[in-house]
Amino acid sequence: EPEVTQTPSHQVTQMGQEVILRCVPISNHLYFYWYRQILGQKVEFLVSFYNNEISEKSEIFDDQFSVERPDGSNFTLKIRSTKLEDSAMYFCASSEQSEAFFGQGTRLTVV
Amino acid sequence: RKEVEQDPGPFNVPEGATVAFNCTYSNSASQSFFWYRQDCRKEPKLLMSVYSSGNEDGRFTAQLNRASQYISLLIRDSKLSDSATYLCVVNPGSTGRRALTFGSGTRLQVQP
Repeated sequence: EPEVTQTPSHQVTQMGQEVILRCVPISNHLYFYWYRQILGQKVEFLVSFYNNEISEKSEIFDDQFSVERPDGSNFTLKIRSTKLEDSAMYFCASSEQSEAFFGQGTRLTVV
Repeated sequence: RKEVEQDPGPFNVPEGATVAFNCTYSNSASQSFFWYRQDCRKEPKLLMSVYSSGNEDGRFTAQLNRASQYISLLIRDSKLSDSATYLCVVNPGSTGRRALTFGSGTRLQVQP
């Protein structure tokens, strides 16, 4: 069964450093997303990406964040100058139409 | 009012019980509705989409009431493996908008 894969599964970084989270969406899907979940809180939308551009973003997705599809298979989330409050699970998802399928997540810990 | 509101639970039920979860949403223009399940520290997994006519998948039945902006999930014959957090998820679905809005989840604990 096709699935969304994310790497790394866990990333520890020092405050102020930049991190890149990587995702390989399901191959025939056209829409890609990043969500995050702070421990104990609900899943929150960050950004959606379609046709090689951002189609929608939330208030959380400010200038600290960027997304890229560097090639035909990868979809990345870059977080610049990380802060303690960026510590969370980051989930990548993809969809063909409305049903979105999630990767297993990257646990980001900022110390 | 929260965009998607759920009773956080926990619901503690014995194996074999029937349990129902409810959810309300605030955006009357919402187009797509889903139930996801999430195990502790894992990704949300799609359980089922929810259609206006209601739909059933084995032991799971989902209902949508657009007039009341209310979604439900019924689980029959609960199994230990059903223990998880159930997330009510709404997609406004308007042109260019596909962001999912998640409820905070309802925790289910099925006990032997």
